[in-house]
Amino acid sequence: DTGVSQDPRHKITKRGQNVTFRCDPISEHNRLYWYRQTLGQGPEFLTYFQNEAQLEKSRLLSDRFSAERPKGSFSTLEIQRTEQGDSAMYLCASSLNGYSYEQYFGPGTRLTVT
Amino acid sequence: ELKVEQNPLFLSMQEGKNYTIYCNYSTTSDRLYWYRQDPGKSLESLFVLLSNGAVKQEGRLMASLDTKARLSTLHITAAVHDLSATYFCAVAQYDSTSGTYKYIFGTGTRLKVLA
Repeated sequence: DTGVSQDPRHKITKRGQNVTFRCDPISEHNRLYWYRQTLGQGPEFLTYFQNEAQLEKSRLLSDRFSAERPKGSFSTLEIQRTEQGDSAMYLCASSLNGYSYEQYFGPGTRLTVT
Repeated sequence: ELKVEQNPLFLSMQEGKNYTIYCNYSTTSDRLYWYRQDPGKSLESLFVLLSNGAVKQEGRLMASLDTKARLSTLHITAAVHDLSATYFCAVAQYDSTSGTYKYIFGTGTRLKVLA
């Protein structure tokens, strides 16, 4: 499978714990995006990388959230001191430089904070 | 700030009927994307529309873009049950400060096709 992959697919954690998600983009894609999607809503942009550089962060990304893409390949999204409001589907997408910038989405990581 | 609105939010239609989903956006953009999402699944790219007047068709779905009206439509022809899903439009907003595009999604249209 050469699509975008995410790990884990599901994560249940207790409030206050830290969690980390991983995204592996399509191999030749240099752009990587993180989104959060809650039930009944469209994806909300969190952050964006071009290669290893984090070029934009949403206001939604509080200081408890951090994302990295150390070698311009896979990316991690960490949430510290999780809160119940963090429960959502976290989606990763990648795209290739080019006019269309069409994004390809991974299967998502569903986070439940109890 | 760019806002993207879809209507209707919910659509229940009979098989064989035609219908149109609308996507309005509030600021200038020349890039619009349509996605399909099945329950519990991720987003599947359907169409990429990159210029005024762009029209694309795949099977029973046809998408168009009018950048002057800031409107895109997704037309469904002779609906079948397999088209039941949630459809999202997304508009790309260029940020001149970062030199990048940010994607703003609509709230989605939940389509149910009844046999």
